[in-house]
Amino acid sequence: QVQLQESGPGLVKPSQTLSLTCTVSGGSLSSGGDFWTWIRQHPGKGLEWIAYTYYGGTTYYNPSLKSRITISVDTSRNQFSLNLTAVTAADTAVFYCARGRWFGNHVGLDVWGQGTTVTVSS
Amino acid sequence: DVQMTQSPSSLSASVGDRVTITCRASQSISNYLNWYQQKPGKAPKLLIYAASSLQSGVPSRFSGSGSGTDFTLTISSLQPEDFATYYCQQSYNTPITFGQGTRLEIK
Repeated sequence: QVQLQESGPGLVKPSQTLSLTCTVSGGSLSSGGDFWTWIRQHPGKGLEWIAYTYYGGTTYYNPSLKSRITISVDTSRNQFSLNLTAVTAADTAVFYCARGRWFGNHVGLDVWGQGTTVTVSS
Repeated sequence: DVQMTQSPSSLSASVGDRVTITCRASQSISNYLNWYQQKPGKAPKLLIYAASSLQSGVPSRFSGSGSGTDFTLTISSLQPEDFATYYCQQSYNTPITFGQGTRLEIK
């Protein structure tokens, strides 16, 4: 059974770069067709999609964040990562990684990490 | 971007009640609509995909319907473990967008 686990610093200073990693266990990140996704949730708020990537390099970014985010994949470690540059207090959130799986021609986020809280503060 | 609007934003109900949550898309999304359940401090859980297909392991008291712009999630007989926040999400195009959530509370 596939499991995801986020890791990274819980505190980041304003203007710095936030770097998070999601480790995939119980399955391969290079499984054909799955999306590897980052989502965040501001305190007490709803869910915001950040980006997703396919193994093989195709990546889709939320236009509202596109200028500040980079997603990368490390198949040797079965990990994918998020870099978010020039963070501000508005980036304080719980960050989730998730797997997007095909159900026919539909995609659902069927496996999620537990989430990691990131606070932006000096 | 496709805007997703849920109603109500919060709802009080009792164990055994039948509950319906509505999600409206700002444009037609066919049936590219998923529903998630989130409990406090936990990650969301996929309940329904493709508007009406039940994810494996999800109790049959959950059901979804709709197509185009209007969708519903129904819980036929509320159980204590169903009190949570529910989100709809469109997978029609990017950026993927979610509704603002419906908080289901115990009456």
